[in-house]
Amino acid sequence: GAGVSQTPSNKVTEKGKYVELRCDPISGHTALYWYRQSLGQGPEFLIYFQGTGAADDSGLPNDRFFAVRPEGSVSTLKIQRTERGDSAVYLCASSSSGGPADTQYFGPGTRLTVL
Amino acid sequence: AQKITQTQPGMFVQEKEAVTLDCTYDTSDQSYGLFWYKQPSSGEMIFLIYQGSYDEQNATEGRYSLNFQKARKSANLVISASQLGDSAMYFCAMRELLRGGNQFYFGTGTSLTVIP
Repeated sequence: GAGVSQTPSNKVTEKGKYVELRCDPISGHTALYWYRQSLGQGPEFLIYFQGTGAADDSGLPNDRFFAVRPEGSVSTLKIQRTERGDSAVYLCASSSSGGPADTQYFGPGTRLTVL
Repeated sequence: AQKITQTQPGMFVQEKEAVTLDCTYDTSDQSYGLFWYKQPSSGEMIFLIYQGSYDEQNATEGRYSLNFQKARKSANLVISASQLGDSAMYFCAMRELLRGGNQFYFGTGTSLTVIP
């Protein structure tokens, strides 16, 4: 079956621009997560959705970052006024219910480069 | 304090040998989950194995087993009969279940290279 997909796979932008990163979770998965992975580091939690609502956005670094999931499926991570420090791989993951032992399935990531 | 510590930035193992990747964790919760993921050069994170804090037996999944020592707060991954395709980054992660269990905390990873 289809796994988690993310588009674009690569995004190069200039400092100060706005970007949108898209995540298509596994069909039927109600839980969706966004992570940021910098070079040489493990993924860092950004935000968690259960259905349409952001159940935990405590990992968003500042108010330039925002994410939506309007219909409880596809999610978009939005970054305003991008900075060079935002350059990283942005990973999306989904799981069936967000339960305690729920396994997260990750997408291939979007590599964001801010020049 | 780091929630997850992986002290081995790089490891080498001979093909067909076993290898242990270390992971220690820090939590005051009694209920938590521990996960290992593999990240090949392609970048996708692949789930390997899960251990719940109340599980009495060590988790096993094929060639992967988790050596869970609760008192020492360690959750080492053992890969038996290493294969060339096992060369990748390996991440240990924890989920604290009593705090909503939404956040996964990842370590910095261990790069494993399997030598033919």
